[in-house]
Amino acid sequence: EVVMTQSPPTLSVSPGERATLSCRASQSIATFLAWYQQKPGQAPRLLIYGASTRATGIPARFSGSGSGTEFTLTISSLQSEDFAVYYCQQFNFWPLTFGGGTKVEIK
Amino acid sequence: EVQLVESGGRLVQPGGSLRLSCAASGFTFSTYAMSWVRQAPGTGLEWVSVFSGGDADTHYTDSVKGRFTISRDNSKNTLYLQMNSLTAEDTAVYYCAKGLGARAWYFDLWGRGTLVTVSS
Repeated sequence: EVVMTQSPPTLSVSPGERATLSCRASQSIATFLAWYQQKPGQAPRLLIYGASTRATGIPARFSGSGSGTEFTLTISSLQSEDFAVYYCQQFNFWPLTFGGGTKVEIK
Repeated sequence: EVQLVESGGRLVQPGGSLRLSCAASGFTFSTYAMSWVRQAPGTGLEWVSVFSGGDADTHYTDSVKGRFTISRDNSKNTLYLQMNSLTAEDTAVYYCAKGLGARAWYFDLWGRGTLVTVSS
C-alpha cells in the first residue's frame, strides 16, 4: 500500500503567521491527493483535492501544491479557527491511505 | 439539509457482528460514491471501504477484507457496513463520507460518526 508520511507531527505557529505542512507518498501518486482538517470532536472537513483545488467554501488562505511524491499545504495567515489536525489522503491506489496527521497548535 | 447520519454503533464482544447504517439526505444519493472511514481513539483516520455511485464497484482495506461488507440501498438513501468477526482493533468511531462524484475517492461530506467498541 502507499504509505503517506506527514511532517512535522506538530507545528507551533502564532496567529497571523504562515504554516507549511508536508506530506510525502511512498510512491508517485501524480496529483491524486486530498487534504482534510479535523477539529476535536468533529468530523474531518475536505480542504483541497487534486493536490491544489480548493473545495467549496474553503478560504483562499488555504493552498495546496505538489505532485508525484511531495506535497505541501500552506495556510498563509493562520486564524484562530485554523488550529486543528490536518490529514493528507491519496486516492490513486487501493487501498486509499491517510497520513498520520499534523497538529497545528498555537505558539 | 445536506447531511449524513450514522447509527448502529455499540459495545460488542470480540467475535461478534454489527451492522452500521448511514442515512443520507439533501442530495441525489445514488450518484455519489460513499465510504466508511474509521478513527480509533486518539489516533488518525483509516479508510475502511467504499461503494461507487452508479455501479457496484466496491473496495476494502486489507484488514477488513472477508469480514466487512459494504452495501447501499439507493431507494432508502442509506449506506451500510456489515461487520463480522470483530476484534479489539476494530474499536473506533466510524464515519460515513460522501465522495465528490460517482467515482471520486475523496470525501466532501462527513457524518458525525458512530462509536463501535469491541470488548469483553
